[in-house]
Amino acid sequence: IAGITQAPTSQILAAGRRMTLRCTQDMRHNAMYWYRQDLGLGLRLIHYSNTAGTTGKGEVPDGYSVSRANTDDFPLTLASAVPSQTSVYFCASSELSAPGNSPLHFGNGTRLTVT
Amino acid sequence: QKEVEQNSGPLSVPEGAIASLNCTYSDRVSQSFFWYRQYSGKSPELIMSIYSNGDKEDGRFTAQLNKASQYVSLLIRDSQPSDSATYLCAALFQGAQKLVFGQGTRLTINP
Repeated sequence: IAGITQAPTSQILAAGRRMTLRCTQDMRHNAMYWYRQDLGLGLRLIHYSNTAGTTGKGEVPDGYSVSRANTDDFPLTLASAVPSQTSVYFCASSELSAPGNSPLHFGNGTRLTVT
Repeated sequence: QKEVEQNSGPLSVPEGAIASLNCTYSDRVSQSFFWYRQYSGKSPELIMSIYSNGDKEDGRFTAQLNKASQYVSLLIRDSQPSDSATYLCAALFQGAQKLVFGQGTRLTINP
C-alpha cells in the first residue's frame, strides 16, 4: 500500500543522546515535511523539503536537522535531545512543492519521550 | 497571537445534530484553507479544502469561508459518533511556503 512509513513508532531517549527519526514515502511526492504535535499547540512545522537536494526551516527548527538525498527519504535528526523535544512527530508529503496546491499525506507518527 | 486560532473544546454535540467548528486566521492575504480530521492516536487526514468566499459542500460536510472577517468554519450535518475526532484548521500563508495549523478542536458526538 502506497504511503509514508515512519520509524520508530515510539522511542524513549535519554537527554543528550542523538536520534534520527526515519521517514520514507513511495508516492514519488516532491515535497516532504516534518511536524511536531503538542497538546494545545497543534501541528508545528520543523523543516521541509520542496524537492530532493533542498531543505528549508519551518516554525520551530532549532535543535533539529534534516537531509533530502533522494525523493523517497527525509530523515529528521536530533543532535542532542532535550526534554522539550518530547512530542509526537509526523512526517508528511505532498505531490506539489506548494503545500496548498495538493493535500498533505501524513505518516503514522513517532512518539518520542526525552527523559 | 497565534496565526490560526481554534477553540480547543471539547465540543459536545448530540447525534444527528449539526456540529459547527470555527477558525480564525491572522494573515489577510491567505488564499487556501483546509480542514483535517484526526482520530485519537492517528495521523491527520484532509477532509475539506476551500479557496474562495462562500460555502463548499461535500456530503455531510460544509466549509464556509469569509475572507473579510478572516474566518473559516466547518459544519457537519447529521453528526455521527464516528465523527468524534479532533478537527484541525490550516491556512496557507502566502509567500511563506508554509501551511499553518490551529491547535485543533476536539469534537465528541454523543449517541
